[in-house]
Amino acid sequence: AQKVTQAQTEISVVEKEDVTLDCVYETRDTTYYLFWYKQPPSGELVFLIRRNSFDEQNEISGRYSWNFQKSTSSFNFTITASQVVDSAVYFCALEADSWGKLQFGAGTQVVVTP
Amino acid sequence: DTGVSQNPRHKITKRGQNVTFRCDPISEHNRLYWYRQTLGQGPEFLTYFQNEAQLEKSRLLSDRFSAERPKGSFSTLEIQRTEQGDSAMYLCASSFSGSSYNEQFFGPGTRLTVL
Repeated sequence: AQKVTQAQTEISVVEKEDVTLDCVYETRDTTYYLFWYKQPPSGELVFLIRRNSFDEQNEISGRYSWNFQKSTSSFNFTITASQVVDSAVYFCALEADSWGKLQFGAGTQVVVTP
Repeated sequence: DTGVSQNPRHKITKRGQNVTFRCDPISEHNRLYWYRQTLGQGPEFLTYFQNEAQLEKSRLLSDRFSAERPKGSFSTLEIQRTEQGDSAMYLCASSFSGSSYNEQFFGPGTRLTVL
């Protein structure tokens, strides 16, 4: 069985603060992919990042960075120097099928105030 | 091509009525997915098409739900005899199986309210 847990329901920060979103996943598959999606108030899910299970190298892309640790089944996501436009619900997702079905977590609401 | 489109964006119906939603994927995408999202939850997988073939259906998809993708282009999701529990956002996504990235692009969703 596959499961994605996002324990944080809501995080509130002041602009320019860093925000780290936690994601813990469960899967029996050895090959899988992890994603982060953003859902702004408009409702459309926007792809942010993707990581495969063989690559634990952590990276930074602009203000986004992620920390993938297979040993703890965690895939955390950080927004550096948050901005008001970062206010949204962020979803972590797991893909362990060859044809792309995504298992989403419950999401974390990020509120960034000026 | 501006992305995945879904129609209608909003649908209000009375319990017991039938409703049909349409999804137009990105033109070169051969994979199409339907998800359902209720308030405060993440999207839940409903069904998946590769070209015109429906390859998997979730247990969430009761026999009142049917999805089609004729000719492997647009897809429709029909709900018969709607119930209040069907109220949700119905999301469509598409991707290209030949892409190493397999990124799913989501449409804006159809919000269904069953009175």
